[in-house]
Amino acid sequence: EVQLVQSGAEVKKPGESLKISCKGSGYSFTSYWIGWVRQMPGKGLEWMGIIYPGDSDTRYSPSFQGQVTISADKSISTAYLQWSSLKASDTAMYYCARHGISRYFDYWGQGTLVTVSS
Amino acid sequence: EIVMTQSPATLSVSPGERATLSCRASQSVSSNLAWYQQKPGQAPRLLIYGASTRATGIPARFSGSGSGTEFTLTISSLQSEDFAVYYCQQYNNWPPEYTFGQGTKLEIK
Repeated sequence: EVQLVQSGAEVKKPGESLKISCKGSGYSFTSYWIGWVRQMPGKGLEWMGIIYPGDSDTRYSPSFQGQVTISADKSISTAYLQWSSLKASDTAMYYCARHGISRYFDYWGQGTLVTVSS
Repeated sequence: EIVMTQSPATLSVSPGERATLSCRASQSVSSNLAWYQQKPGQAPRLLIYGASTRATGIPARFSGSGSGTEFTLTISSLQSEDFAVYYCQQYNNWPPEYTFGQGTKLEIK
């Protein structure tokens, strides 16, 4: 069974750093892209970027380039999304999702809620 | 950037009736279009990919159609569990610039 299990909810202050994770299981982790999707409170879905754990090829949405860093550790089948300096506007639910060569997201993680507040 | 526009923003339909949701792309995305369902407090779930192919385990009452810039998701006979928010997403270009529509909330009439 394919599963993407994300790390737990986080509460941070503005200016702090954060790294959240997404662990894949039940499939070949290095053969599928992992994407990150933001959902701000009460809003829609926004694609942030994707990584191919097989060779760490990473692509970002222009809206998120330079704002976050996507990485992966294929030895532990885990992808990451990180911020170096959080802002209140980063408060959102963040989902990881898998896609294959056809590029639609077929499996999703349960989401990680990030709250940034002073 | 390809802009995806969904209509209507909210659709009120009675159980057992048909629901038709629309998604328009600002430029052609061929058939590289997916539909997702999201219920409150849950992650999105893939319903349709390739504009018209149902994902594994999705009931036959869900169907997708269209190509190019105009797409439709039809739910033939609404069940109580179908009331949710639906998003379309294009995945046409590489390097990727995936974009989602703003969503259609399907509510009980």
